[in-house]
Amino acid sequence: DAKTTQPNSMESNEEEPVHLPCNHSTISGTDYIHWYRQLPSQGPEYVIHGLTSNVNNRMASLAIAEDRKSSTLILHRATLRDAAVYYCILRDVGGGSNYKLTFGKGTLLTVNP
Amino acid sequence: NAGVTQTPKFQVLKTGQSMTLQCAQDMNHNSMYWYRQDPGMGLRLIYYSASEGTTDKGEVPNGYNVSRLNKREFSLRLESAAPSQTSVYFCASRGTGENSPLHFGNGTRLTVT
Repeated sequence: DAKTTQPNSMESNEEEPVHLPCNHSTISGTDYIHWYRQLPSQGPEYVIHGLTSNVNNRMASLAIAEDRKSSTLILHRATLRDAAVYYCILRDVGGGSNYKLTFGKGTLLTVNP
Repeated sequence: NAGVTQTPKFQVLKTGQSMTLQCAQDMNHNSMYWYRQDPGMGLRLIYYSASEGTTDKGEVPNGYNVSRLNKREFSLRLESAAPSQTSVYFCASRGTGENSPLHFGNGTRLTVT
C-alpha cells in the first residue's frame, strides 16, 4: 500500500485558516486520498476524499497537487471544536481490493483561542 | 441518529478472562470492521466483514475471534485476555459504493491486568 507522510503536530489560532499537508509520493493512479479526523475520546469521522480535482464540502476543502504526490486539507476558519488528530489515507480502488484503510499516526491539530 | 453503537464503553479484565465486545449499526451497511488503537498509535485493523456471513482477518487478528451475527451486528471476542490486548477498540461500518466512508462508534476502553 502506498504510504503517506504528515507532520506530527500543528498549531493554529481560532478563526484562522489551517492548511494540513500530506505527502504521498508513491501514490498510484487508482489511489483516492481520504481524510478522517478523530476528536478526543471519540472514533474517527470522515472529512473528505478526492482523486485528482480539488474538492469542497461543508467541513473542509481538499487541494490536490497536479502531480498528486501531495495534498492539503484546508479548514477555512478553525474553531476550538476542530482540535483533533487528522489522518490522511490512501484508498486503492484498483484490483478489487476490499476497503481496508490503514490509519497512520496523523497530525495532532491544536487550536488556540 | 444512533449510527454505530458499541458496548460496553469501559471494561477491566484479569489476564485469562474472556469477554465479547458488541457492535451494532442501524444504517443498513454491508461491511463492518474492528480496529484497535494503542496510545499514540494509529488504528490497526483486527477483522472485517465485507457482508453478512463472511469475515476476514486484518492486520492484527491473533487472540481475537469475530462473529457477524446478522447484517446489523458484528461482535469481537477475546477468549483469554492478555495485558497486550489493553487498548481502545473501535467498530466501524460502511455502505456500498466505491468510496463510501467508514462510520465509527465511540470505542470500548479495555484494560487487562
